[in-house]
Amino acid sequence: EAGVAQSPRYKIIEKRQSVAFWCNPISGHATLYWYQQILGQGPKLLIQFQNNGVVDDSQLPKDRFSAERLKGVDSTLKIQPAKLEDSAVYLCASSLPSRIEKLFFGSGTQLSVL
Amino acid sequence: AQSVTQLDSQVPVFEEAPVELRCNYSSSVSVYLFWYVQYPNQGLQLLLKYLSGSTLVKGINGFEAEFNKSQTSFHLRKPSVHISDTAEYFCAVSDIYGGSQGNLIFGKGTKLSVKP
Repeated sequence: EAGVAQSPRYKIIEKRQSVAFWCNPISGHATLYWYQQILGQGPKLLIQFQNNGVVDDSQLPKDRFSAERLKGVDSTLKIQPAKLEDSAVYLCASSLPSRIEKLFFGSGTQLSVL
Repeated sequence: AQSVTQLDSQVPVFEEAPVELRCNYSSSVSVYLFWYVQYPNQGLQLLLKYLSGSTLVKGINGFEAEFNKSQTSFHLRKPSVHISDTAEYFCAVSDIYGGSQGNLIFGKGTKLSVKP
């Protein structure tokens, strides 16, 4: 079975620029998550979707970050404008509903903001 | 709210030696516990999980962990490590009663370095 796909793999931008990340979850997985992993720290949840609805976005910096999951499948995460402290790996994960014990992660997008 | 503390940021060990990576958590409710491994430039891979039942949990690659409710710990162990075990290991907790059940709280990670 295909895993969680993310692109791009790497992205380098200058501060104040915009950037977008894409995630394609495992087929049939209604729940999709975006995590931010800053160097030296564990991943932190940014937003959780159930189908195309937002379940939890309490830790998403909404003044600059936005995410959508149109049609309940693919998702995009956008940062506009980027700050230096946004440099991190952005991980996408998916699971069946309420099946946290079977959570699958993508390889992530490594963002460097210069 | 839950939190996870991984007591060692780095653990160097020689090949074929035993290793223990320590994890403590805090929570006011019952939890699920997980250990994930992250190899360089790769995503997170589940090593093992505790959901209920036996407190000794066996995972992939010869790893095991023991859930200790009284000490709120979930330490990861392997009796004999290989060079290929060199990676970063993350302990994580999830509230089993949470409506979303999706908010994994991660520790800061432990870098295991296996030397020949």
